[in-house]
Amino acid sequence: QVQLVESGGGLVKPGGSLRLSCVASGFTFSDHYMSWIRQAPGKGLEWVSHISTSGSAIYYADSVKGRFTISRDNAKNSLYLQMNSLRAEDTAVYYCARDGRGSYYDYWGQGTLVTVSS
Amino acid sequence: QSALTQPASVSGPPGQSITISCTGTTSDVGGYNYVSWYQQHPGKAPKLMIYEVTNRPSGVSNRFSGSKSGNTASLTISGLRAEDEADYYCSSYTSSNTVVFGGGTKLTVL
Repeated sequence: QVQLVESGGGLVKPGGSLRLSCVASGFTFSDHYMSWIRQAPGKGLEWVSHISTSGSAIYYADSVKGRFTISRDNAKNSLYLQMNSLRAEDTAVYYCARDGRGSYYDYWGQGTLVTVSS
Repeated sequence: QSALTQPASVSGPPGQSITISCTGTTSDVGGYNYVSWYQQHPGKAPKLMIYEVTNRPSGVSNRFSGSKSGNTASLTISGLRAEDEADYYCSSYTSSNTVVFGGGTKLTVL
């Protein structure tokens, strides 16, 4: 069965950095676009970034462009999100999701909480 | 990247039907048949309910259906059940090769 397991969340000070990881299993990871989506406490879903199968096509939300970097390692079935210059408004649960044809998310991880606070 | 517009809340008694709207622009909802809908129960990850406007993933009840007219997509839930009470989000692919979500709709089954 498809599984996505995120890790790497935690408490970080404003201006700090954090790297999230997502390990995939149960499907051919290299065949699928992958995405990061976040949800601030008590708020709605916000798309963050997605990456193509080979990593050659990458897109970001304006809110994180220039600060976050998405990457993948197909040999390790892993997706990453490097988050720099973190702000309080980046506080959220970050979900890793499998992309269906680049426009919908058919499998989600359980999420990892990132808290940016001094 | 403005969020798609959804009503904050909808409600209905068990057995009735409700429709949740999702309004965007010609750069997202109106320009592509790439609208999807997600159900989220408290403390849980979202679940895909509809993709590419009208398609239901395997395992999703046929009480859930999707449609689109112009810049507005809709999710209809027929024969409401208590377990349908949740938050619902729409999303759309955009002309910028990004994805935008709606603000979410809280469904209450009375």
